[in-house]
Amino acid sequence: GQQLNQSPQSMFIQEGEDVSMNCTSSSIFNTWLWYKQDPGEGPVLLIALYKAGELTSNGRLTAQFGITRKDSFLNISASIPSDVGIYFCAGLPPDSNYQLIWGAGTKLIIKP
Amino acid sequence: NAGVTQTPKFQVLKTGQSMTLQCAQDMNHNSMYWYRQDPGMGLRLIYYSASEGTTDKGEVPNGYNVSRLNKREFSLRLESAAPSQTSVYFCASSRSGGTVEQFFGPGTRLTVL
Repeated sequence: GQQLNQSPQSMFIQEGEDVSMNCTSSSIFNTWLWYKQDPGEGPVLLIALYKAGELTSNGRLTAQFGITRKDSFLNISASIPSDVGIYFCAGLPPDSNYQLIWGAGTKLIIKP
Repeated sequence: NAGVTQTPKFQVLKTGQSMTLQCAQDMNHNSMYWYRQDPGMGLRLIYYSASEGTTDKGEVPNGYNVSRLNKREFSLRLESAAPSQTSVYFCASSRSGGTVEQFFGPGTRLTVL
């Protein structure tokens, strides 16, 4: 079946650093979504991308829908302590209206 | 608006027991979903309901049943719980299948002994 490879698996960063993570696949997707999950909570939608090449920002977060439709990137600028959590990408295959394919997540940890 | 609510928040079952996880949304969304989340893995879809009156299997439906009670409520039932069903269960909703932006509840943490 289709899979999403999300990397890195975890990141240790200093407060104030910029962060980059990505999701890649061998298959194309029509939509890319980025979610953040805090401990003990459900995922919260950060950014939705619907068009190849699209670049969308939400505050300090910027995400891009790869031009090949097989990847997506999320950048966080000037990280702060509340950015800690797990970030998930999810993609919608062309043959589905409902079933998202999910990455395994990138865990963001701020170094003390 | 409460968004998506789930009950219970925590549950411990013995192997073979049954239980129903409840989910409700107040956003007037048409589509609802049940996922499970296991450590180190992404979310896996158990069942979904595209609209009131319809349900379909997702990636991992075995051992589960669902009921779309009305537009607001979508329940997940474990008829005979197994240790492999120990997981965190999330309910989600979206406006319709054409818009896949899904909104999640806080989850139910289930342990099967």
